[in-house]
Amino acid sequence: QVQLVESGGGVVQPGRSLRLSCAASGFTFSSYAIHWVRQAPGKGLEWVAVISYDGSSKDNADSVKGRFTISRDNSKNTLYLQMNSLRADDTAVYYCARDVGCCYAPGGYIDYWGQGTLVTVSS
Amino acid sequence: QSALTQPASVSGSPGQSITISCTGTSSDVGGYNYVSWYQQHPGKAPKLMIYDVTSRPSGVSNRFSGSKSGNRASLTISGLQAEDEADYYCSSYTSRSTPHVVFGGGTKLTVL
Repeated sequence: QVQLVESGGGVVQPGRSLRLSCAASGFTFSSYAIHWVRQAPGKGLEWVAVISYDGSSKDNADSVKGRFTISRDNSKNTLYLQMNSLRADDTAVYYCARDVGCCYAPGGYIDYWGQGTLVTVSS
Repeated sequence: QSALTQPASVSGSPGQSITISCTGTSSDVGGYNYVSWYQQHPGKAPKLMIYDVTSRPSGVSNRFSGSKSGNRASLTISGLQAEDEADYYCSSYTSRSTPHVVFGGGTKLTVL
């Protein structure tokens, strides 16, 4: 069965960095685009970033552009989110989520989600 | 402020039907048949319930159905059960360059 397991969350001071990981299993990781989606405490879902199946195409939300970088290592079946210059409003549970297709093209949607990892940005 | 508009809460009694609306624009909900719905229980990951406006993934109860008219999509749950109490989020493809996925603000369903 499809499994996505996030790790790397924790408490970090404003301005510092953190790297999240998402280990995938149960499917051919290298065939799917993967998203990061976050959820601030008590709030709704916010799309953060996406990367295509082979890593050749990626994009970020405006709220994290220039600070967060999505990447993947298909040899390790692992997705990453490098988060720099963290701010208090980045505090959220971060989910990795599988797109149904390879390339986040029209018609794609998220079909599986991990359990999430909590990032708290606080001094 | 979320890109798609949902009511903050809805409620219904066991056995009844409820409908949750999701309003967008011609750049997302109204322009494409790419609306999805997710169920999220407290402390859990979201679960896909509906995709492509009306399609149900394998394993999802046929009590859940989706529809769309213009810029408004809807999720209907019939024969409400206690286990349906959860938050529900709509999502849509958007023709805007970013974000690639837009979500509604979520609707809290209470089963009375």
